[in-house]
Amino acid sequence: GAVVSQHPSRVICKSGTSVKIECRSLDFQATTMFWYRQFPKKSLMLMATSNEGSKATYEQGVEKDKFLINHASLTLSTLTVTSAHPEDSSFYICSALPLAGNTDTQYFGPGTRLTVL
Amino acid sequence: KNQVEQSPQSLIILEGKNCTLQCNYTVSPFSNLRWYKQDTGRGPVSLTIMTFSENTKSNGRYTATLDADTKQSSLHITASQLSDSASYICVVADEGFQKLVFGTGTRLLVSP
Repeated sequence: GAVVSQHPSRVICKSGTSVKIECRSLDFQATTMFWYRQFPKKSLMLMATSNEGSKATYEQGVEKDKFLINHASLTLSTLTVTSAHPEDSSFYICSALPLAGNTDTQYFGPGTRLTVL
Repeated sequence: KNQVEQSPQSLIILEGKNCTLQCNYTVSPFSNLRWYKQDTGRGPVSLTIMTFSENTKSNGRYTATLDADTKQSSLHITASQLSDSASYICVVADEGFQKLVFGTGTRLLVSP
């Protein structure tokens, strides 16, 4: 149980285009989802906290207009990287906090590898 | 400043051997501490979780310890297997279980 999926698993795009990454909780509902990015050999860095039905909360230094987050349902959050540039190339990981059950546990998705050419 | 430091940064051991990874934290207030395993190109998977009152927690060949007084934790891997090759991340929840402070991880390579 408590499976989180991400789609796509990897994406390559041209500089200036926008890319949407989906995060789904498959067998549980989550009012709160989190988006992280991870550079090679570095740990995860929280980008934003996404709450269903409300605006996301962004960490300091993360541009909200560049990284658009939508949490339209209790099982889906999306991250859109707008006007992507090579420096946005990274590994993006989402996590979800269950509404019931293990409400103190974030379950992580498998990640999405973004490469901007 | 809330921080989680792990050592060693990387480790190579022979298959079948044991190893211990260390984690020191300065996170306060403290809710719980988790050890995650992250395979290359994959998301982290939880191995153990410990709260303030717990000293040790096992999950198969993985045994985690916690000393809340000294703010130290360790992860002991017994009889290592090739599939144990991964990054092991110590993560501390400071409050509300939402704000996680991540260690930089220990990269473990188990060689045949």
